[in-house]
Amino acid sequence: DAGVIQSPRHEVTEMGQEVTLRCKPISGHDYLFWYRQTMMRGLELLIYFNNNVPIDDSGMPEDRFSAKMPNASFSTLKIQPSEPRDSAVYFCASSLRFFRETQYFGPGTRLLVL
Amino acid sequence: AQTVTQSQPEMSVQEAETVTLSCTYDTSESNYYLFWYKQPPSRQMILVIRQEAYKQQNATENRFSVNFQKAAKSFSLKISDSQLGDTAMYFCAFMLGGTSYGKLTFGQGTILTVHP
Repeated sequence: DAGVIQSPRHEVTEMGQEVTLRCKPISGHDYLFWYRQTMMRGLELLIYFNNNVPIDDSGMPEDRFSAKMPNASFSTLKIQPSEPRDSAVYFCASSLRFFRETQYFGPGTRLLVL
Repeated sequence: AQTVTQSQPEMSVQEAETVTLSCTYDTSESNYYLFWYKQPPSRQMILVIRQEAYKQQNATENRFSVNFQKAAKSFSLKISDSQLGDTAMYFCAFMLGGTSYGKLTFGQGTILTVHP
């Protein structure tokens, strides 16, 4: 069974450009989480969804960040416009509703904004 | 807000030896979970071990075990018979139950190097 799939694995862009990160959760999982990992702030939860509905976006750093989950098998995290301080590794994770203590992480997307 | 503190930025151990990684957390809640995640150079986040706060017995997974001291809010990870493949960043993490069930809070991480 495939795990959580993220694309792209690496992204290099210039400041001001729009960046879209993609995630496909494990089939049947109804919770999806987006995390960001930086040297300065460590690993932090940005937003999570239950059955495609955003539940808590309190970790989203600012309005330049947005996340959507149009269906149960796909989510996007968009940054517009991107800034150098957005450079980080972005992880997506998914879980079952009653087993949210077991989250399966994707391989991450390493984003570099020049 | 809940906080997780890992006071050891880096640790090293010889192959086949035992090493203990420290973690403390702060919460006023009684319903929570604690975790240790491993992040090797590949960056993949791998769940190593999990402890439910209501369980008094320390969790064990093969060579990995925890020392859960609820009153002291301490959650250390012991790795026995260390292997070269254990070289990674280790994160301690915390999750509340109830309405915040699912939100993971991570510590800053400890880099563990296993030497041959």
